[in-house]
Amino acid sequence: GAVVSQHPSWVICKSGTSVKIECRSLDFQATTMFWYRQFPKQSLMLMATSNEGSKATYEQGVEKDKFLINHASLTLSTLTVTSAHPEDSSFYICSANTGEGIEQYFGPGTRLTVT
Amino acid sequence: SQELEQSPQSLIVQEGKNLTINCTSSKTLYGLYWYKQKYGEGLIFLMMLQKGGEEKSHEKITAKLDEKKQQSSLHITASQPSHAGIYLCGADRGGSEKLVFGKGTKLTVNP
Repeated sequence: GAVVSQHPSWVICKSGTSVKIECRSLDFQATTMFWYRQFPKQSLMLMATSNEGSKATYEQGVEKDKFLINHASLTLSTLTVTSAHPEDSSFYICSANTGEGIEQYFGPGTRLTVT
Repeated sequence: SQELEQSPQSLIVQEGKNLTINCTSSKTLYGLYWYKQKYGEGLIFLMMLQKGGEEKSHEKITAKLDEKKQQSSLHITASQPSHAGIYLCGADRGGSEKLVFGKGTKLTVNP
């Protein structure tokens, strides 16, 4: 149980375009999902906390207008990278909390490459 | 600032050897998590520690949290190639569910 999926697993897009990444909790409902970004040889950095039915809470330094987060249902959160630039190329990972503890379950990640 | 320091950054061991990875925090840890990550993949939950002095084991992996709750160690006994990967420690910020991660320790196990 407690499986989180992400789609796509990898994506290549041109500079200036937007790309959407989906995060789904497959066998549980997640009122809270988290979006992380990981650069090569770096740790995971929390970008934002996504709450179902309300606006996401962004960490300091993360542009909310660039990284649009929508948590439309208890099983789906989306991250849209708008007007992507090469410096946005990274590994994006989401996680979800079942609400029955503080343990987070992570998705397999999405590798974004902006050319 | 980086709140969690992991050491070593990388580790190469021969199959069958024991090894230890450390995670140190500048602040008291309310919850300490250990994850394993294969390069370019998601995180696999290993263990969570909350109480000072707590120790948990799963198969050949043992994790400990010191009494002061500022340092944790992950010990692997009789390492196998399947143990290879990046080990990350993460800590929650006082029960807020938000996790802060260390930079990870890359483990290579040579057969």
